[in-house]
Amino acid sequence: SAVISQKPSRDICQRGTSLTIQCQVDSQVTMMFWYRQQPGQSLTLIATANQGSEATYESGFVIDKFPISRPNLTFSTLTVSNMSPEDSSIYLCSAWTGVNTEAFFGQGTRLTVV
Amino acid sequence: GNSVTQMEGPVTLSEEAFLTINCTYTATGYPSLFWYVQYPGEGLQLLLKATKADDKGSNKGFEATYRKETTSFHLEKGSVQVSDSAVYFCALLKTSYDKVIFGPGTSLSVIP
Repeated sequence: SAVISQKPSRDICQRGTSLTIQCQVDSQVTMMFWYRQQPGQSLTLIATANQGSEATYESGFVIDKFPISRPNLTFSTLTVSNMSPEDSSIYLCSAWTGVNTEAFFGQGTRLTVV
Repeated sequence: GNSVTQMEGPVTLSEEAFLTINCTYTATGYPSLFWYVQYPGEGLQLLLKATKADDKGSNKGFEATYRKETTSFHLEKGSVQVSDSAVYFCALLKTSYDKVIFGPGTSLSVIP
C-alpha cells in the first residue's frame, strides 16, 4: 500500500497568483496522477506525472496553467498558475504502485480563489 | 473509449434501508473495477474492488460483483446507516500503469 500526504490541505488565494501543491508518498511509486474535482463534480484527470520526463496532460489542460514536477519516485508538485475563481476546486494527488491494482489518493487540497 | 456510468443522484434513504447504486462501464478487455467513497470534507477512500469477472468485492457491509456479461459493478448494502452518507464513485482501471477513470459520483444521504 501507499500513504499519500498533500500540502496544503486547503488555501484561499487571490486571483492572479499561483499556488504549488505538494504530494509526498511514503514509498516509491511508478505513476503519479493529479486530478481536479470541481464543486459537486466527479474527478477529472489533469495529468500523469512521470519521473524523469515531462508530465502528460489530458485534453483541456496545459502545462503553462498547471506545471507539474516529478523529481523522484516519491514526490510531485502541481502548480495552479494565474488563478481565477474558476480554479476553485479540490485537487487530488494519486499514486499507482504498479504492484497491485489499486490507486491511492491523498486527502486533497481544497482551493478557493477570491 | 473507456467510461463509467452511474445512476443519477442524490439518493435519500431511511436508516436500515437497502441500498443499490448502479454502475456500468465501457472498456475493452478486463479492467479492474472499484468503488471509492468520499465522506463530507474528506478525500477519496477505496471502499472495495474487483479485478476479474465474477469477483465480489466487499467491505463494511458493502458488496459489488464484477459482471462481465452486463459490464456492471453495482454497489449494494443490506442496511444503511447514517454514517454511510457520502458520495460514492464507481471507477475502472484499464491496465497497470494507466489512469483511473471515474464515474460522475452518486450522493447518498441516510436519514434517521
